[in-house]
Amino acid sequence: GENVEQHPSTLSVQEGDSAVIKCTYSDSASNYFPWYKQELGKRPQLIIDIRSNVGEKKDQRIAVTLNKTAKHFSLHITETQPEDSAVYFCAARGSSGDKLTFGTGTRLAVRP
Amino acid sequence: DGGITQSPKYLFRKEGQNVTLSCEQNLNHDAMYWYRQDPGQGLRLIYYSQIVNDFQKGDIAEGYSVSREKKESFPLTVTSAQKNPTAFYLCASSGFPDRPLGGYTFGSGTRLTVV
Repeated sequence: GENVEQHPSTLSVQEGDSAVIKCTYSDSASNYFPWYKQELGKRPQLIIDIRSNVGEKKDQRIAVTLNKTAKHFSLHITETQPEDSAVYFCAARGSSGDKLTFGTGTRLAVRP
Repeated sequence: DGGITQSPKYLFRKEGQNVTLSCEQNLNHDAMYWYRQDPGQGLRLIYYSQIVNDFQKGDIAEGYSVSREKKESFPLTVTSAQKNPTAFYLCASSGFPDRPLGGYTFGSGTRLTVV
């Protein structure tokens, strides 16, 4: 089955700086890669996603890049703000159905 | 509540007791999922169902059971065989296979504690 690894597990940045979170996946047939943000005690919320036929996608301060050859994808947050502080999860959908395999999460702290 | 409702929000289980977590969605999604979240371990798949009256085991199904008698409902039972059930449980749904494939919609979660 699919295996997703996520790094780093914790990340602390100064407000206004950029943050990058990286994930690798194992199933070369994976075709969909979403990113979720989870604030303390709340449900994960989809913030951006990318499909395997696209190399990069941007939404305001957030971008995701995908390298299919290397089987890795990354989340980039620019001009970070304190409200960006949360746990971020990457995920990948493998070749069997619609289920997602999640990374172990990155706890991002943005220092004012 | 985002179209998918979990109840209760908090649940306490005594040793040897079975408990059932509710998950209901009104999004007309075919697929539903149960994940368990522990600190530092991300989300691990317990069971999933892609269609009514059918479900498959995920990565950590031991000690859990599910049913899918209706499209809208996917309850999870934590049995006494699950030795370490204290965790945050998340239910999710997605539009497979009728709609363009996309991400999940999550419920707000149930925090289960063994007392």
